[in-house]
Amino acid sequence: QVKLLQSGAALVKPGASVKMSCKASGYTFTDYWVSWVKQSHGKSLEWIGEIYPNSGATNFNEKFKGKATLTVDKSTSTAYMELSRLTSEDSAIYYCTSSSNWGQGTLVTVSS
Amino acid sequence: DVVMTQTPVSLSLAIGQPASISCKSSQSLLGTSGKTFLNWILQRPGQSPKRLIYQVSKLYSEVPDRFSGSGSETEFTLKISRVEAEDLGVYYCWQGTHFPDTFGAGTKLELK
Repeated sequence: QVKLLQSGAALVKPGASVKMSCKASGYTFTDYWVSWVKQSHGKSLEWIGEIYPNSGATNFNEKFKGKATLTVDKSTSTAYMELSRLTSEDSAIYYCTSSSNWGQGTLVTVSS
Repeated sequence: DVVMTQTPVSLSLAIGQPASISCKSSQSLLGTSGKTFLNWILQRPGQSPKRLIYQVSKLYSEVPDRFSGSGSETEFTLKISRVEAEDLGVYYCWQGTHFPDTFGAGTKLELK
């Protein structure tokens, strides 16, 4: 079955960067866009952007341009998202979603 | 960005009762392809979102047929014919017709 396995929780300092992963299995990774979604504590969902593994093409929500960088490693069917210049506003759970399935989420906490 | 407005904010229902959740979009979600990219997802407590319905009314294979979706243009409805215990959680509508994808604020289904 389709699985999206995300990397574990991260505690990072303000101003630093964090890179998280989303390893796909059970489907052809290169055939589907991988999207990333932010869920701040107790709040709704925000679409960050997407990457097409086959070509590396990306699209970003304007709000997250310059904040998020999306990459993939086709050899391991893994998508990555790096968030830079972190502030407390970036503390959230981040989900990857692809082929209509969702990962379990990565909790990022920004704190000194 | 397209604003998705969900009502009610919360629902408290007994097992076996019907449920209805409304989702209204600030623009028509009918795309140039003739398709309407309106999805419903469920986030159970402490879990990541799970797919329920895509393109307004199409249920994913694992979703029980007590769920149904309807609507067009800017008004959409998710219905549960008879609520079961496993249905509790937060329901989100999500549009993918207009860039960027946007989500409703969620409707929390609680059991009486």
